[in-house]
Amino acid sequence: EAQVTQNPRYLITVTGKKLTVTCSQNMNHEYMSWYRQDPGLGLRQIYYSMNVEVTDKGDVPEGYKVSRKEKRNFPLILESPSPNQTSLYFCASSRGGAGNGYTFGSGTRLTVV
Amino acid sequence: GQNIDQPTEMTATEGAIVQINCTYQTSGFNGLFWYQQHAGEAPTFLSYNVLDGLEEKGRFSSFLSRSKGYSYLLLKELQMKDSASYLCAVRRPNSGNTPLVFGKGTRLSVIA
Repeated sequence: EAQVTQNPRYLITVTGKKLTVTCSQNMNHEYMSWYRQDPGLGLRQIYYSMNVEVTDKGDVPEGYKVSRKEKRNFPLILESPSPNQTSLYFCASSRGGAGNGYTFGSGTRLTVV
Repeated sequence: GQNIDQPTEMTATEGAIVQINCTYQTSGFNGLFWYQQHAGEAPTFLSYNVLDGLEEKGRFSSFLSRSKGYSYLLLKELQMKDSASYLCAVRRPNSGNTPLVFGKGTRLSVIA
């Protein structure tokens, strides 16, 4: 089944403790992206990647890192999480080109206390 | 920059027709998407417009006017399961052309 898989689905952590949210897609898509979704603010892009080893900042990149060492994986790293990073996170992938939007993962609900 | 506006909430009756509007101001344009998102779930693709006009797909249609920076999503024969948020998204006109900028979404409630 074609899908984007994120792990974990739920995570509660403490301020300052480094964490990684994994994302993997099995569709051989070139483009991948991370979004966060907050009430009243909608989906905001954190980082995106156009191919292996090619990444760029989205609208809210502060406090986050990403890497794209392989085509299928695009982990999101929070080196020192803070409470304002409590949010619902979505990973998404696309094969690019006209008409091809993103396929989203199921989301990761992160709480930083 | 990009600015995308949608109404925050709408309510409609089962069996009726509802139109959800989206206006955008962007530095360039490379396509507009509509997504549906049920509470707590991932957004799912509904439609794509890059040229002016109406695209129809079953009960859902989407319209685009590039000169007016305007789109709408039309839902016909509303069902209770259509209660969800509807997200308008514009594709950034950069070399990657895939990154999408989303509006804040319109929460639609379908009532009996």
